[in-house]
Amino acid sequence: ETGVTQSPTHLIKTRGQQVTLRCSSQSGHNTVSWYQQALGQGPQFIFQYYREEENGRGNFPPRFSGLQFPNYSSELNVNALELDDSALYLCASSLPGVAPGELFFGEGSRLTVL
Amino acid sequence: DAKTTQPNSMESNEEEPVHLPCNHSTISGTDYIHWYRQLPSQGPEYVIHGLTSNVNNRMASLAIAEDRKSSTLILHRATLRDAAVYYCTPTASGGSNYKLTFGKGTLLTVNP
Repeated sequence: ETGVTQSPTHLIKTRGQQVTLRCSSQSGHNTVSWYQQALGQGPQFIFQYYREEENGRGNFPPRFSGLQFPNYSSELNVNALELDDSALYLCASSLPGVAPGELFFGEGSRLTVL
Repeated sequence: DAKTTQPNSMESNEEEPVHLPCNHSTISGTDYIHWYRQLPSQGPEYVIHGLTSNVNNRMASLAIAEDRKSSTLILHRATLRDAAVYYCTPTASGGSNYKLTFGKGTLLTVNP
């Protein structure tokens, strides 16, 4: 059983640019969540996708958007990047009903905005 | 969202038990209590969860206060590989929506 994989692992962008981060969910998991983790802080919930629909969103502006594909892989898109968007972006997959809240996290994509 | 309070850091010696406390006094009656840990340069890793009763698994035990306003994660014999940031997270669950609310967590240092 493969785990959650994310790409790229590191990237650098400049303010105002757009970025796409990718996530491949753990096999059989049809729910994916994205979290933002600033340095020295705990992860903050961005949104969750279930069966290709957004199913819950945290306190993030609309320039943070996502997609989930039929194979359950997912993308996080961030437009008009700001310096404060510099963070570790974590993807997590889960299988509803098996163990509530047991998420399987990837190792994250480290985004630096200059 | 329920707020959590955890010590910023704790220290333990190898092979000794560790009790990591968490206060979640604003937790709702239907929220689960999850514990995750995060090793350096890795994503968080699920440790254990519970609702009202104490829980045990191969990694740890979870003791939940009767009023559910606090809980304690117990590592029975700490190893060097247990050095990590430990997060207590109330989980708002409804259908397929499992939102975790992380605080800053407790940095556990394990001394050899």
